[in-house]
Amino acid sequence: QKEVEQDPGPLSVPEGAIVSLNCTYSNSAFQYFMWYRQYSRKGPELLMYTYSSGNKEDGRFTAQVDKSSKYISLFIRDSQPSDSATYLCAMSKSGGSNYKLTFGKGTLLTVNP
Amino acid sequence: DAGVIQSPRHEVTEMGQEVTLRCKPISGHDYLFWYRQTMMRGLELLIYFNNNVPIDDSGMPEDRFSAKMPNASFSTLKIQPSEPRDSAVYFCASSTRGGGSSYNEQFFGPGTRLTVL
Repeated sequence: QKEVEQDPGPLSVPEGAIVSLNCTYSNSAFQYFMWYRQYSRKGPELLMYTYSSGNKEDGRFTAQVDKSSKYISLFIRDSQPSDSATYLCAMSKSGGSNYKLTFGKGTLLTVNP
Repeated sequence: DAGVIQSPRHEVTEMGQEVTLRCKPISGHDYLFWYRQTMMRGLELLIYFNNNVPIDDSGMPEDRFSAKMPNASFSTLKIQPSEPRDSAVYFCASSTRGGGSSYNEQFFGPGTRLTVL
């Protein structure tokens, strides 16, 4: 079993839809949970991060972490065609190991106008 | 700031040839990371440096791969000899020190698309 599992999709939604992306993980030592967005033929860029459990909101984006279930989610409200990209979840441990990221394989999202 | 710079952007080579990928991190960043991305395995950390010193190379697939960071503004990833299964996109990323509840973002370069025939 991989440490981080992510459904690769692809996921296709109409503009304005609510999008739900998620990852599961097996290593209880993970403390930092990130979502990266990667446009085609570009490098990943950080979208949001959460430390430990809880929710975090940034504009149309909400990240949730449920450590008891080892499950994280990213919600996108009022999705736009510009949100079309691959979304990668990533995780790391606390302390001196928080530089070593373990990524999910990514979910390809297309938002249709 | 120009961001993380990688060269070349594309590399096509034949099996058995030596390949050298280059990276210039963001000025002032003291951590540098090399990743490989494939459809099958996703994005994987190969090695990372702190203050030019390799800290963790457990992700380097085999002895054919080597990485160096001779100074704070330059790093190389070398594959010798290259094999078709090395075909992938290789990313370099850099960051500053994090810790505690603070996460310091890793900034990724545009990647080098390597094809080994």
